[in-house]
Amino acid sequence: TQTVSQSDAHVTVFEGDSVELRCNYSYGGSIYLSWYIQHHGRGLQFLLKYYSGNPVVQGVNGFEAEFSKSDSSFHLRKASVHWSDSAVYFCAVSLSQGGSAKLIFGEGTKLTVSS
Amino acid sequence: DPKIIQKPKYLVAVTGSEKILICEQYLGHNAMYWYRQSAKKPLEFMFSYSYQKLMDNQTASSRFQPQSSKKNHLDLQITALKPDDSATYFCASSQEGGRAETLYFGSGTRLTVL
Repeated sequence: TQTVSQSDAHVTVFEGDSVELRCNYSYGGSIYLSWYIQHHGRGLQFLLKYYSGNPVVQGVNGFEAEFSKSDSSFHLRKASVHWSDSAVYFCAVSLSQGGSAKLIFGEGTKLTVSS
Repeated sequence: DPKIIQKPKYLVAVTGSEKILICEQYLGHNAMYWYRQSAKKPLEFMFSYSYQKLMDNQTASSRFQPQSSKKNHLDLQITALKPDDSATYFCASSQEGGRAETLYFGSGTRLTVL
């Protein structure tokens, strides 16, 4: 069974702070990981993904994530957050079953950026 | 302009009734999906379609039936509605159905069953 967990339900930081949102996965095969963001009342938007190569991947709006096989992690980071980064962030692993992809999402981490 | 249109945005239904959630995508994608998000559970995969064919179904209940009348349409029919069906239903699409693909989501239909 492939699962993903996000240990922090809520994270609060001040504008300009750095932030790390944690994601851990469990799976024995090749791994496909991604992060999505959901602003209040909206659908999910893609941030970044990893499936091979450089373990540090760059995404939109200054976000990056680092894959670690030894820690089974794919944490999301941003060096300096803006108030508009306030949203819920979802980590996801991708399965392939029956000829199509299926994303399994973590519980989500709500990031609040205070000014 | 939104590239994935979901209608209606809000929907209120009575227990036992039937509703259809509409999804149209204008991204030229060949794979489409339904996900459900409720207060009790995280985002939950429901169905995937590729070239208008059902590829994966993780919904235990036959009350949920996807319908693909056109390549860029994937509607969701829900019959015999229950209060537990209350959730936001998201439609998504990807170019193909590969594991490495990016999914694009609509803004959702919030269903409330009274």
